[in-house]
Amino acid sequence: NAGVTQTPKFRVLKTGQSMTLLCAQDMNHEYMYWYRQDPGMGLRLIHYSVGEGTTAKGEVPDGYNVSRLKKQNFLLGLESAAPSQTSVYFCASSYSAITQETQYFGPGTRLLVL
Amino acid sequence: GDSVTQMEGPVTLSEEAFLTINCTYTATGYPSLFWYVQYPGEGLQLLLKATKADDKGSNKGFEATYRKETTSFHLEKGSVQVSDSAVYFCALSRRDGQNFVFGPGTRLSVLP
Repeated sequence: NAGVTQTPKFRVLKTGQSMTLLCAQDMNHEYMYWYRQDPGMGLRLIHYSVGEGTTAKGEVPDGYNVSRLKKQNFLLGLESAAPSQTSVYFCASSYSAITQETQYFGPGTRLLVL
Repeated sequence: GDSVTQMEGPVTLSEEAFLTINCTYTATGYPSLFWYVQYPGEGLQLLLKATKADDKGSNKGFEATYRKETTSFHLEKGSVQVSDSAVYFCALSRRDGQNFVFGPGTRLSVLP
């Protein structure tokens, strides 16, 4: 099992460019999440999905869109990148939403917006 | 809203020293509590968890006890190793389970 994988590992964008980050999991998890990690702020939830075909907003959704067309994939899109979106992005998945369920994280995507 | 506070560090210790990283939380109801660890260049990995008051989570020599009366979940290890150098995140899982709330992370450096 590969667990949770993310593509790409690193990307540099110019302001206004668009890109899509791909997250894939092979654990048959229902729930998937996108977080951003910024210094001194921990992880903040951008969007999440409770199942194939569903998405919901998290704490900081502005400037991002997501899609969950297949159960194993969760895509994060930036339509018009801004320097404030420079961050490390982590995808996570979990089997269910019960409170003690562990989230499994990918290795992260480092994004620099110039 | 729900929140997690932890000492930000960095914390620098010598090998075999005792480690404590403080974590306190604010939440409605009874959240589950977690410690995640992030090694350099990697994603977060679950270190330990506790799902109800007075539960003790433990793993790899680390332990933390869910203290409802003090709303705390402090991480401890009796003798740290160089390989424990990482960033440690305290987190809670909300009752609806739909997302976690993470603390800012504490960077630990262990010197030989």
